[in-house]
Amino acid sequence: DTGVSQNPRHKITKRGQNVTFRCDPISEHNRLYWYRQTLGQGPEFLTYFQNEAQLEKSRLLSDRFSAERPKGSFSTLEIQRTEQGDSAMYLCASSLGSLSRYNEQFFGPGTRLTVL
Amino acid sequence: KQEVTQIPAALSVPEGENLVLNCSFTDSAIYNLQWFRQDPGKGLTSLLLIQSSQREQTSGRLNASLDKSSGRSTLYIAASQPGDSATYLCAALSGNTPLVFGKGTRLSVIA
Repeated sequence: DTGVSQNPRHKITKRGQNVTFRCDPISEHNRLYWYRQTLGQGPEFLTYFQNEAQLEKSRLLSDRFSAERPKGSFSTLEIQRTEQGDSAMYLCASSLGSLSRYNEQFFGPGTRLTVL
Repeated sequence: KQEVTQIPAALSVPEGENLVLNCSFTDSAIYNLQWFRQDPGKGLTSLLLIQSSQREQTSGRLNASLDKSSGRSTLYIAASQPGDSATYLCAALSGNTPLVFGKGTRLSVIA
């Protein structure tokens, strides 16, 4: 399958625990995005990478959140000291970025986080 | 700051009906506009992308239009089917900024 993949698909954790999600983009895509979606809302931007460089971070990304994209391939999103308000669907997307004038983004299936 | 609004929030139609979903955006300096479908608990599936220089795009029973000057896009679904039931999201891309999404329209097509 050559689409965007995310793992795990579901994560249930207790408040205060740390969690890490992984995203594998479409192989030739150099841009990778993280979004968060809560019930009844559209996705909200968290951060994005061009290759291994993190180019932009939303103010939604508190200091408990950190994202990495080593070697410009897969990316991880870590949430430290989880809070109940972190419960949401975390979506990853990738695009060709500057290599394409369309910059169409393709999304993965998401990781649903529930913080008890 | 770009803001995207979708109306209506929910829509229920009988099978076979043609329908229009609306999307409006506040900053007309967009690079492209993308329409997505989202099934419950799932990720987003890209349906159509309209570049800022285009007026419309078509894929099968779907037609999306773009009017930058008025800050509006519509998604037209012809001959709706129960399998079209989902949430439809539009998102605007401006330059190198990330996609800004509306809250979506939840569509139910009744057999």
